[in-house]
Amino acid sequence: NAGVTQTPKFQVLKTGQSMTLQCAQDMNHNSMYWYRQDPGMGLRLIYYSASEGTTDKGEVPNGYNVSRLNKREFSLRLESAAPSQTSVYFCASSEGAGGGGSSYGYTFGSGTRLTVV
Amino acid sequence: GNSVTQMEGPVTLSEEAFLTINCTYTATGYPSLFWYVQYPGEGLQLLLKATKADDKGSNKGFEATYRKETTSFHLEKGSVQVSDSAVYFCALRQAGTALIFGKGTTLSVSS
Repeated sequence: NAGVTQTPKFQVLKTGQSMTLQCAQDMNHNSMYWYRQDPGMGLRLIYYSASEGTTDKGEVPNGYNVSRLNKREFSLRLESAAPSQTSVYFCASSEGAGGGGSSYGYTFGSGTRLTVV
Repeated sequence: GNSVTQMEGPVTLSEEAFLTINCTYTATGYPSLFWYVQYPGEGLQLLLKATKADDKGSNKGFEATYRKETTSFHLEKGSVQVSDSAVYFCALRQAGTALIFGKGTTLSVSS
């Protein structure tokens, strides 16, 4: 029962470096999400994918790109990392994106702790 | 737009005390409401949910009632344990949108 798997768990980057955070789910969920968690800010949505082949911006998309590679996988890329992107990143998935799917909760991964120096 | 407001923490209680964490929301229409819990070093786990007015969600001794008239979804537990120490997030979801979270409330329970 893997659920949502995120890699890596920890990463330290230098300013200007790039990296991709990987996320995969094995629950056949349609929708996937990327959030960042910062102290005192709660979780803020970066990007989401309501279904395979679609992606949309969330609240804080600047500095990030995403790829919904297939139904299982949704990656987050930082092209040129900045110290302001130091955060804990969570991937999540759910069965539906809207309509009757609004009652679906999310399943979260265990997070990637990223530090940009 | 939609938003969720939680009481500021940290909340510090002794074991077996009564817990209330307040949550109010702003939304058009009829959102679903959720409580998530995050234990140290882990991701968020769904604790309970309610999908319509007057519904009561419950799990592991926690409960919350969807009150449309006061736009609230307060989390309660009659007797907390040390193992309940965690961060609790209130959230809402409306049709066609992603989950919107409150800022979280840290609960610390001492024996």
